[in-house]
Amino acid sequence: NAGVTQTPKFQVLKTGQSMTLQCAQDMNHEYMSWYRQDPGMGLRLIHYSVGAGITDQGEVPNGYNVSRSTTEDFPLRLLSAAPSQTSVYFCASSPLSAGELFFGEGSRLTVL
Amino acid sequence: QQPVQSPQAVILREGEDAVINCSSSKALYSVHWYRQKHGEAPVFLMILLKGGEQKGHDKISASFNEKKQQSSLYLTASQLSYSGTYFCGTDYVTGNQFYFGTGTSLTVIP
Repeated sequence: NAGVTQTPKFQVLKTGQSMTLQCAQDMNHEYMSWYRQDPGMGLRLIHYSVGAGITDQGEVPNGYNVSRSTTEDFPLRLLSAAPSQTSVYFCASSPLSAGELFFGEGSRLTVL
Repeated sequence: QQPVQSPQAVILREGEDAVINCSSSKALYSVHWYRQKHGEAPVFLMILLKGGEQKGHDKISASFNEKKQQSSLYLTASQLSYSGTYFCGTDYVTGNQFYFGTGTSLTVIP
């Protein structure tokens, strides 16, 4: 059982480039979310989804886009990367919106 | 909208106890506790729902006081394996938006 799989694990971008962080879960969870983690800031919610076709913004959504076409996948798109988006990104899923969160291993992104 | 955790950091000797607090200015629906080791993903410890319940997990327990809008994590007889950063997470209304605190770094030394 793979759980939550994130790719890539590491990525270096130049300012202005775009990219997609992939997240897939095989637990049939309805709830999925993306967080970024910066030193001293904890985990901050970027976007979340309560089911296929439904997405909503978290506390730091600017510069990011998401879609949820299937229950399994929840990709995060950086539209035009900026140095301020250098961070570690975690995808998490849960069977219920208030249930235990299962995290992926994280994706470390550096924007030069 | 992040809940506030205290202390920010604590250093313990093996066998000592610690308390980590999590508070919010808004009404809480549930409280989660997670532990994160360096370079790894957060791992779920426990969840507490409205009702003032207290839960335990080995020598780690937690309480949730919804009137005071705060939760506390209790670590007793700490072990080296308890080292890491502890996060509380809360949701406020429907449970859809889940916010984490800024974390408490716990270091247990021999």
